[in-house]
Amino acid sequence: DQQVKQNSPSLSVQEGRISILNCDYTNSMFDYFLWYKKYPAEGPTFLISISSIKDKNEDGRFTVFLNKSAKHLSLHIVPSQPGDSAVYFCAAMTLNTGANSKLTFGKGITLSVRP
Amino acid sequence: NAGVMQNPRHLVRRRGQEARLRCSPMKGHSHVYWYRQLPEEGLKFMVYLQKENIIDESGMPKERFSAEFPKEGPSILRIQQVVRGDSAAYFCASSQGQSQPQHFGDGTRLSIL
Repeated sequence: DQQVKQNSPSLSVQEGRISILNCDYTNSMFDYFLWYKKYPAEGPTFLISISSIKDKNEDGRFTVFLNKSAKHLSLHIVPSQPGDSAVYFCAAMTLNTGANSKLTFGKGITLSVRP
Repeated sequence: NAGVMQNPRHLVRRRGQEARLRCSPMKGHSHVYWYRQLPEEGLKFMVYLQKENIIDESGMPKERFSAEFPKEGPSILRIQQVVRGDSAAYFCASSQGQSQPQHFGDGTRLSIL
C-alpha cells in the first residue's frame, strides 16, 4: 500500500525553465511534508518542507505547494539548473500523534535538466 | 564533516554471516532513524531510536534484525544470518527533535553473496 505516490518516474526540462514535481498521498493523518534530493551513491539531502497549516513555502529557487483537499503537493524549481539533475523524493510524516516521527517516502522522480 | 556519518560505505557478506552497520548522528542530534532502500524503490522506515531507547521499531523485520543506540558511541543496525534479500542500501538519519527535518548519511550498501 503506497501511501505516498510519485507517479511520474522521470522529468526532463530545459535549463532556465520551471521544473514541477508532483506528489500525492492517501493518508489523511499526514501533516508534515518534505522534499529530498538524492545524487547517486549519496544520501538524501533535505530541500524544503511544509506543514499542513500552510499551503505554500518558498526557499530561494524552491517552492512547495500543498493542496490538502486534493492530498497533493508539488515542488517547483525555477529557474532549473543542470546541477538540479537528481532523484527527488517526496516524504510525509504525522506530527500530531506525538511519539512517531517516521518518514514515509515516495519512489522518487528522476529530474534531468538539459543545458 | 559534521554530517551524519555511516560506516562502512560498502559491506559484503556471505549468506549466514552477520552484518553490523554503524551510524554517528550529527552533533547535537539525539534522534536516530534507520531506513532501507531496495532497487527502484523509495526509502522504507525501519526503526527510530533515542539514546538507549527504541521508540518505534514497526518497520523492522521480526527476526534477525536489531538496532541499538547506546549512551556512548554510534547507533548500530545488526543483521544476523544474512540472506540474499537483505541486499540493499541502508540509510541512517538524525534530527534534533521529532518535528525537525531528518538529515541523512550517505548510506551503507550491503551485498550478500
